[in-house]
Amino acid sequence: GAGVSQTPSNKVTEKGKYVELRCDPISGHTALYWYRQSLGQGPEFLIYFQGTGAADDSGLPNDRFFAVRPEGSVSTLKIQRTERGDSAVYLCASSPGSRGTEAFFGQGTRLTVV
Amino acid sequence: DAKTTQPNSMESNEEEPVHLPCNHSTISGTDYIHWYRQLPSQGPEYVIHGLTSNVNNRMASLAIAEDRKSSTLILHRATLRDAAVYYCIPQGGTYKYIFGTGTRLKVLA
Repeated sequence: GAGVSQTPSNKVTEKGKYVELRCDPISGHTALYWYRQSLGQGPEFLIYFQGTGAADDSGLPNDRFFAVRPEGSVSTLKIQRTERGDSAVYLCASSPGSRGTEAFFGQGTRLTVV
Repeated sequence: DAKTTQPNSMESNEEEPVHLPCNHSTISGTDYIHWYRQLPSQGPEYVIHGLTSNVNNRMASLAIAEDRKSSTLILHRATLRDAAVYYCIPQGGTYKYIFGTGTRLKVLA
């Protein structure tokens, strides 16, 4: 089986544009996480899904950021009116959904806002 | 969420054991202690996790202090491929993993 897949691997967009980042988790994993990572920093938590619902979205920095997981598998992170400060690597992870289980991370999407 | 303290960096010689410490004095009684590592230009990778007892797997060992306020990740024989940033992460009832700044391990040939 494939691991967590994120597309695109790289995205360059102009300031003010809208972007969507996609995450395909491991089949059967009910938990899905989004993180973003700036250079030299640890991953920063954004949002966590359990099934279709966002169980914890406390890490979303503002209302320009939104994420969905309509069928409980694929998730999309949406960023409106991008700003240069949004430039980072966006990481997705999935896990079987219980505490004390292993989370599997994708390779990330590198977003550059110019 | 429990806070963690790890050394910013450590060095080890190849094929020698490495002990990576983590302080998590604010951990709650039901928080799991996870360790992940991140190689350059890759997503984080699971290493090991435990609750109260020491744990061993093919990658490493995890020694958890009796009071659970600290833990140590043990790589028995460091290789050049083990050079990475290692993160200690308590996982509580909120399920999310909160990463700190981690320990950058440098392995010397």
